[in-house]
Amino acid sequence: DGGITQSPKYLFRKEGQNVTLSCEQNLNHDAMYWYRQDPGQGLRLIYYSQIVNDFQKGDIAEGYSVSREKKESFPLTVTSAQKNPTAFYLCASSPNRRAGLRVYNEQFFGPGTRLTVL
Amino acid sequence: SQQGEEDPQALSIQEGENATMNCSYKTSINNLQWYRQNSGRGLVHLILIRSNEREKHSGRLRVTLDTSKKSSSLLITASRAADTASYFCATAPNSGYSTLTFGKGTMLLVSP
Repeated sequence: DGGITQSPKYLFRKEGQNVTLSCEQNLNHDAMYWYRQDPGQGLRLIYYSQIVNDFQKGDIAEGYSVSREKKESFPLTVTSAQKNPTAFYLCASSPNRRAGLRVYNEQFFGPGTRLTVL
Repeated sequence: SQQGEEDPQALSIQEGENATMNCSYKTSINNLQWYRQNSGRGLVHLILIRSNEREKHSGRLRVTLDTSKKSSSLLITASRAADTASYFCATAPNSGYSTLTFGKGTMLLVSP
């Protein structure tokens, strides 16, 4: 099965703890993304990576960290510096199709991880 | 700030009716995409429309794009209960590589 997986599905954390959310894809996509979704809201971009060993901050990177050591994997660490981490976290990947000078980046999403801070 | 804004925020219809959702955006785009999200799940890509296209179809979905008004609409014809979900538009602002900016979504409820 080709796809993108996230684990765990539910995660509970005590205040002051760091936690790492897993994201794996076997779609051979170059680009990967992490989003945060709060109730009734759209998606906000945390970090993204276009290629292995490179990543960029999104709109709300503070309190989060990532790594991209392998093409298939893009783990997200929610650190204790993130003041309001309770949210639904979504990982996505994209093949970044090229058509001439233009890039078309349909994104494929994992099932999400719901993080709750106790 | 959000690039795309969907309207309405919520829509309730009966099975068999058509559902229309709108998306407005502020800056020029390379393409606009629509996604569906079932409750508590990840998003699913529905359709991508390029900036030089005006209309696109996929099954029961019809998407229009009016770049002069900076708006797009998603029409779902002959709605089914299984279409109940939130629908998001997302814009890609540049012709080269860029990230997507998502709106807050329209919640669609289709009643049997």
